[in-house]
Amino acid sequence: EIVLTQSPATLSLSPGERATLSCRASQSVSSYLAWYQQRPGQAPRLLVYDTSNTATGIPARFSGSGSGTDFTLTINSLEPEDFAVYYCQQRTNWPWTFGQGTKVEIK
Amino acid sequence: QLQLQESGPRLVKTSETLSLTCTVSDDSVRNDYWSWIRQPPGKGVEWIGYVHYSGTTKYNPSLKSRVTISVDTSKNQFSLKLNSVTAADAAVYYCASSTYYSSSGSYFGLFQYWGQGTLVTVSS
Repeated sequence: EIVLTQSPATLSLSPGERATLSCRASQSVSSYLAWYQQRPGQAPRLLVYDTSNTATGIPARFSGSGSGTDFTLTINSLEPEDFAVYYCQQRTNWPWTFGQGTKVEIK
Repeated sequence: QLQLQESGPRLVKTSETLSLTCTVSDDSVRNDYWSWIRQPPGKGVEWIGYVHYSGTTKYNPSLKSRVTISVDTSKNQFSLKLNSVTAADAAVYYCASSTYYSSSGSYFGLFQYWGQGTLVTVSS
């Protein structure tokens, strides 16, 4: 099983700041790494797929990068609705797995 | 916009079987793969398994011995059964589509549409 390790566990930032979230895989996932956002009481929402492709309807302030085992989600200029938990997910190998999440909270 | 809705008992007794059904808003269930995903309160997300409309299934090895996922295309539904539950199985259970569709293609293994989730509690 591919283990995804996200860091930091919590990120405390102010609106307007940039958020940089990390996801490291225990083995290469090629480019098949996705990011989801989960707001309280809601299901996760797909933000970015295959490392750097933003999903339909996702604002341009969200971007992804990386390859192999190290990936980054960047949120430029945080909006109030961006304070949430973010999960990475790989679809390279069975079982599909998620990271443990990074919480972006208001400082 | 495709909609999914979970239904089933919210309280299950230890050692019994958890049973949930997901109803899909249209006949898309006949054209895709459908997953169950769970999230224990305050914890991370775990993919349980999927079913294809043909009946083909794939399960997470961590749960494989206890899980059955099935589909009923006539009802636009797919279902989850998890037997011999323990307190560790208490979680919000989500049903979700398993393919993301964009103008550039389809991407298997991405969860685009989700149900709202249903919290299942396990009690002794």
